[in-house]
Amino acid sequence: AQKVTQAQTEISVVEKEDVTLDCVYETRDTTYYLFWYKQPPSGELVFLIRRNSFDEQNEISGRYSWNFQKSTSSFNFTITASQVVDSAVYFCALSETGFQKLVFGTGTRLLVSP
Amino acid sequence: DTGVSQDPRHKITKRGQNVTFRCDPISEHNRLYWYRQTLGQGPEFLTYFQNEAQLEKSRLLSDRFSAERPKGSFSTLEIQRTEQGDSAMYLCASSLASGRSYYEQYFGPGTRLTVT
Repeated sequence: AQKVTQAQTEISVVEKEDVTLDCVYETRDTTYYLFWYKQPPSGELVFLIRRNSFDEQNEISGRYSWNFQKSTSSFNFTITASQVVDSAVYFCALSETGFQKLVFGTGTRLLVSP
Repeated sequence: DTGVSQDPRHKITKRGQNVTFRCDPISEHNRLYWYRQTLGQGPEFLTYFQNEAQLEKSRLLSDRFSAERPKGSFSTLEIQRTEQGDSAMYLCASSLASGRSYYEQYFGPGTRLTVT
């Protein structure tokens, strides 16, 4: 069975601090896909990144970086020099072979104060 | 390029009434998904279509729920005899699947249903 765990319910930081959001997943498939989505107060889920199980290279995009480790079944997300606009709920999600349904974690609410 | 659109954005209904939601996917996307999100939770999968074929339905989708995608473009989700437990945000997403290539899902703004 597929499962995604985001143990951090809420994180509060001050602007310019770095913050890491944790994601641990469970799957029996050898081929799977991991995602991060952002849900700002407006409510619309915004796609951030997709990672394939056979590609363990870490990725950096501006202030965002992702660390994928199959050995620990983790796909963590770091925001460097956080900004107030980063305040949102962040969801980690998993999809198995065939790229069908997404299984989401319960989300981490990030509050960045000025 | 317009994104996924959903209508209505908000719906308040009385228990026992039927409601229907519409989703218009990104035009070139052949897959369309429905999810439900309750407060403080992540979205939960309900069903998905590839073109007009409904390929998977979650156990969450009781007999009171039905979804259609008649011409492989827009989709409707109907809930019959609504119950207070149906109150949630209903999210639609679309994606492209081509051969063995699959792409990420893009979400619409959602329809917030309140059953009184």
